Parts: sequence; structure tokens; C-alpha cells
Amino acid sequence: AQSVTQLGSHVSVSEGALVLLRCNYSSSVPPYLFWYVQYPNQGLQLLLKYTTGATLVKGINGFEAEFKKSETSFHLTKPSAHMSDAAEYFCAVSTSGTYKYIFGTGTRLKVLA
Amino acid sequence: KAGVTQTPRYLIKTRGQQVTLSCSPISGHRSVSWYQQTPGQGLQFLFEYFSETQRNKGNFPGRFSGRQFSNSRSEMNVSTLELGDSALYLCASLLTSGAPGEQFFGPGTRLTVL
Repeated sequence: AQSVTQLGSHVSVSEGALVLLRCNYSSSVPPYLFWYVQYPNQGLQLLLKYTTGATLVKGINGFEAEFKKSETSFHLTKPSAHMSDAAEYFCAVSTSGTYKYIFGTGTRLKVLA
Repeated sequence: KAGVTQTPRYLIKTRGQQVTLSCSPISGHRSVSWYQQTPGQGLQFLFEYFSETQRNKGNFPGRFSGRQFSNSRSEMNVSTLELGDSALYLCASLLTSGAPGEQFFGPGTRLTVL
């Protein structure tokens, strides 16, 4: 069975500071990993995904994530936070052939002026 | 291309009632998944339909059911509503081909049970 753990339900950073949102997964087979963002009163939007190949994945809005198999992690980073990054972020895992996605509990990012 | 649409956007019901939510996927997408989102719990997977068949199921009681029509539109039904069913219900559509890809989410239906 797959699972996802997001450490820190709330994270605050200053504008211009590094954003680091943590995600650890559990999967007995090669995982497919995703980060989604949710703005207030909206559905989720894909930021980036890891399927196979390059372990450093670049997404939209300057975000990137690195797949580390040895650490079972897929942390999301952005070098410089912007006020518009304030939102809730979800990490998700799936595996080939299942079409079932397991989501973490989410991390709410607050950006301080 | 039109996105995923969900109706209604907001619902208020009382305990014991039943409710039906609707989801229209992106044209050409044949997979529709439903999720329950509550504060602190994240997205809990309810079920997934593909070509009118339930292909995956989460760990929710039988009060939660769904179906999919031949045009890929999906409905979710919750019977005998409980206060704990208050949540944002999201549906997501998927173009199933090859490896797991991007799910496209609708804006959700906010259900309040009084």
C-alpha cells in the first residue's frame, strides 16, 4: 500500500526566502509523485510531477522537487518566495496501472511581507 | 477546452437527508475520481470510475456511492447524511494512457450538513 506524509501542516516564510515543503512517501513499487497547489475556493492545480528519468523536476511558478529514492522523499522547493505563493500544497503518489492517487494531508504556506 | 465542472458549488443539508453531486470531466477524459477534503485530513480518496465501472474504491462506508454515465459524467451520492460529512467534495478527471498522469480537478462542491 502507498502512503504520503507531509511534515508541517503550516509553514511560514518571509517574502524572498527559500521555500521548502517536505514530502515522504511509502511505496513497494516505483512511485509516480506529484505536487499540487490549491488556492482558496479553487480546485487543485498541478505544479510538477515525477514519473521516470531525471530526478530533479522543474514545475510551474519557479518550483522544483527532487526525487530521492534512498530517502523516500520528494521535497518541494522554491528559491525565493513570493506573496502569491501563499496557498495549500499537496503531495501525492500513484503507481503504474492503478490510476489511484494517495494524497498527503497538505501544507499551508504563509508568506510574510 | 472546458475544464472540469462540478454542480452545485454549495449545498446545505440536514442530518438524515441524502445528496447527489455531479461532475463533468474534460472532454475525452474517461476516468473520474472523487475526493473528500476536510481540514487536517487532506484529500481522502472515495472512488474512481472508468468507462462506467468503478475501478478503485477508498475506505468510506456504503452511504457513499457513485456512478458514471456513458458520456463520462459522474455523480456521487451520499445517503443518510451525518454532521461529519460536511466537507469539500472534489472530482478529478484523467486521460488514462500509459503512466499515471496529471489529474484535472474541478472547483469542488462545498457540502454543509446541519
